[in-house]
Amino acid sequence: DVKVTQSSRYLVKRTGEKVFLECVQDMDHENMFWYRQDPGLGLRLIYFSYDVKMKEKGDIPEGYSVSREKKERFSLILESASTNQTSMYLCASCLTLGYEQYFGPGTRLTVT
Amino acid sequence: AQTVTQSQPEMSVQEAETVTLSCTYDTSENNYYLFWYKQPPSRQMILVIRQEAYKQQNATENRFSVNFQKAAKSFSLKISDSQLGDTAMYFCAFVPRHNTGKLIFGQGTTLQVKP
Repeated sequence: DVKVTQSSRYLVKRTGEKVFLECVQDMDHENMFWYRQDPGLGLRLIYFSYDVKMKEKGDIPEGYSVSREKKERFSLILESASTNQTSMYLCASCLTLGYEQYFGPGTRLTVT
Repeated sequence: AQTVTQSQPEMSVQEAETVTLSCTYDTSENNYYLFWYKQPPSRQMILVIRQEAYKQQNATENRFSVNFQKAAKSFSLKISDSQLGDTAMYFCAFVPRHNTGKLIFGQGTTLQVKP
């Protein structure tokens, strides 16, 4: 079974802190994604990566950056956390674009 | 802009009955994929069903089936013989075939199955 894990289920950070969210997949997938999930808005794509060291902006990249140094690991970075970044963050991966994305359990981030 | 709309924020159904969740999308693309994902309470999102737009036959997976109307840009999910474990948030999603893989999600429909 494909497994996508995220470093934390719950995280509380203060405004202005630098926050790292990590995602690891164990199925050698080329493509990895970071979404945020907010009530009434569904999932919105922040960034995705189709290869090591490659990244593309999604719909809402402002305030975020990403890093993919190894194929299995995709990190989301909040350079200076703000309260409007309080949300559920979901990581996903897939082997081939257009096919099933496998999701991690999510990280619920609260910025106070 | 490509969008996915789920017009039913919440729905409920009695156990063993059938329920249909609605989804419409807007795109100028001709080739694309459509998905329904399920997110149970406090659990991971999983794929329910996938449809390729060039296939006219509606996809089915056990108790789950879709009604894909390409001309109407409609992609509804039918759950037959509803079970308590079907209680979840359901998301409709779309990705163009030659896109860089960017899934576009609807707002979600919360389904509660009542005993």
